[in-house]
Amino acid sequence: SQQGEEDPQALSIQEGENATMNCSYKTSINNLQWYRQNSGRGLVHLILIRSNEREKHSGRLRVTLDTSKKSSSLLITASRAADTASYFCATATNTGNQFYFGTGTSLTVIP
Amino acid sequence: EAQVTQNPRYLITVTGKKLTVTCSQNMNHEYMSWYRQDPGLGLRQIYYSMNVEVTDKGDVPEGYKVSRKEKRNFPLILESPSPNQTSLYFCASSWGGVDNEQFFGPGTRLTVL
Repeated sequence: SQQGEEDPQALSIQEGENATMNCSYKTSINNLQWYRQNSGRGLVHLILIRSNEREKHSGRLRVTLDTSKKSSSLLITASRAADTASYFCATATNTGNQFYFGTGTSLTVIP
Repeated sequence: EAQVTQNPRYLITVTGKKLTVTCSQNMNHEYMSWYRQDPGLGLRQIYYSMNVEVTDKGDVPEGYKVSRKEKRNFPLILESPSPNQTSLYFCASSWGGVDNEQFFGPGTRLTVL
């Protein structure tokens, strides 16, 4: 399976702290995307980083990509209780038309 | 409003009774896809479609069928559901295939008894 893996599986932090989650994948990619899912609901796209990019920002989100290590990280700064959700990375390989999702990180932000 | 809709949202059925979960998008996206989500396994792609009349298997296609007769619709068909297909199902669409973000539907929670 080319499915990625997120680390940690679960993360609990205080409001205002930063949250970092990591994603590792197995094959060469076209792009890597991060999604957020509130409990049992549909996924919402957060940010996309292409294979030729190393870092990308969107509001309080910062994503890095290291293609040599086949890994990415998502940093959420100044976390809020409303950030409580599961976060998934998804990769699109450069040789096909499929998406591969990781197993997710469950983030809890304590008010 | 740009959206992906799925119906039904919840379904309880019995083994062997054929069912269809509908998916429709109003964004004129070429790429559509079905996923199932199970605890500890994340999302796994069942089938995807690059455009009308073009469908391909994902990682877990066994027991499922799809069709893409119109650009906006991508139904998921379970000809003979079994308990191991009890899961949360998501439809998604995107413009330009895997090069861009996917838009997800709200999900269909299926229980097969």
